[in-house]
Amino acid sequence: EAQVTQNPRYLITVTGKKLTVTCSQNMNHEYMSWYRQDPGLGLRQIYYSMNVEVTDKGDVPEGYKVSRKEKRNFPLILESPSPNQTSLYFCASSSTSEETQYFGPGTRLLVL
Amino acid sequence: GENVEQHPSTLSVQEGDSAVIKCTYSDSASNYFPWYKQELGKRPQLIIDIRSNVGEKKDQRIAVTLNKTAKHFSLHITETQPEDSAVYFCAATTGTGGFKTIFGAGTRLFVKA
Repeated sequence: EAQVTQNPRYLITVTGKKLTVTCSQNMNHEYMSWYRQDPGLGLRQIYYSMNVEVTDKGDVPEGYKVSRKEKRNFPLILESPSPNQTSLYFCASSSTSEETQYFGPGTRLLVL
Repeated sequence: GENVEQHPSTLSVQEGDSAVIKCTYSDSASNYFPWYKQELGKRPQLIIDIRSNVGEKKDQRIAVTLNKTAKHFSLHITETQPEDSAVYFCAATTGTGGFKTIFGAGTRLFVKA
């Protein structure tokens, strides 16, 4: 089954404790993105990747890092999480820049 | 920075009526315009999309129109049904030299039976 998976689905952590949210897709897609969703703000792109080893900043990259060492995986790293990073995070992938993005199930993060 | 404005933020219609949601984008290089539906607690899913070389696209009860000159695109849902109730997001992607995607803030659609 074609899908995008994210782990963990729920995470409660404390300020400053490094964490990684994993994202994996099995559709051989070149394009992948991370978004955060906050009430009233829609989805905001954090980082995107157009292929292995090709990543770039989206609209709200501060406080986040990504890597794309393999085509299927695109982890999101928070080196020193802060409470303002409490949010719902979605990973997404697409075959080209003009095709639909398939979203993962989301990761709900709470930073205390 | 670039942005996408979406209106209205809330829309309530009677079952069987039409619903229209409008978006305006700022980046003239945007070339792909998808619409996503998000039900409560679920992930966004594409319902229709349009590319910059097309003015209109229809899929059963759903249609999208694009006016590149005005940088404006709209979603039209006809014969609405209670299961159409959800949050709808428009987005604009600039695929040239990158993959920046900007979403609108969303429209919560209520369809009353």
